[in-house]
Amino acid sequence: NAGVTQTPKFRILKIGQSMTLQCTQDMNHNYMYWYRQDPGMGLKLIYYSVGAGITDKGEVPNGYNVSRSTTEDFPLRLELAAPSQTSVYFCASSYSPPGYEQYFGPGTRLTVT
Amino acid sequence: DQQVKQNSPSLSVQEGRISILNCDYTNSMFDYFLWYKKYPAEGPTFLISISSIKDKNEDGRFTVFLNKSAKHLSLHIVPSQPGDSAVYFCAASADGYALNFGKGTSLLVTP
Repeated sequence: NAGVTQTPKFRILKIGQSMTLQCTQDMNHNYMYWYRQDPGMGLKLIYYSVGAGITDKGEVPNGYNVSRSTTEDFPLRLELAAPSQTSVYFCASSYSPPGYEQYFGPGTRLTVT
Repeated sequence: DQQVKQNSPSLSVQEGRISILNCDYTNSMFDYFLWYKKYPAEGPTFLISISSIKDKNEDGRFTVFLNKSAKHLSLHIVPSQPGDSAVYFCAASADGYALNFGKGTSLLVTP
C-alpha cells in the first residue's frame, strides 16, 4: 500500500492564481482531512470528509474548497491565492474517529508570492 | 485560542536516558489524546494514544500518562535513542473529527 499520497510536493503561486492540491489514499478509509501547518505552529484543520459526497469545514476553511467524489480522493482547491496561504499542507485519512489514528501524507509546501 | 499547549519548544537528552515531553490542554471535552512524531519533510506519524478513561498507556519504549484533573499529559521515552530525534506533537480530540494539535516539541537525542 502506498498509504496517503499528495501531489505536488512543492509549488510556487502568484497572488490571485488558483490551484488544486491532490490527495489519494489506498487504505479504503472513510475519513479524510486537510490540515495546514504554518512555521512554528501546530497543524490546523481546514476541511474534512466522512465519506464520498460529504464534506465539512474545519477550523480554518476560508479561501479553500474541497470535494469528495470517491473514497480514495480528496482534492483541496485554492481560489485566488493569497500570501497568507503560504504553508505546508497535509492530507490525512483514518478508518473512523475517535481513537483511530490518522495517517498523513508527506505534505505539499506552497509559497504564494 | 490554543487549546493544546506544548510549552517546551525543544528538549535535548542523552542517549539511553529518559525523554519526557509534556502537554497541557484547556478543553475538558477532549476525550482522546494522541502523540505524533514528525521528521523534516515528512508527514506526522502516529506514535501512541490514550483514552480519557485511562491514565496510562504503554507501547514498547513509549508510555503516555494522562492526568485529567490537571489537564496534563506526558510522553515518556525510555531509553531514548538518536533515531528518536524529531518533532513531537501532542493532539486531542473532542468530537471525533478534528485533531487539535500543539505547536510541537523538538527532541534531540545526543550520543
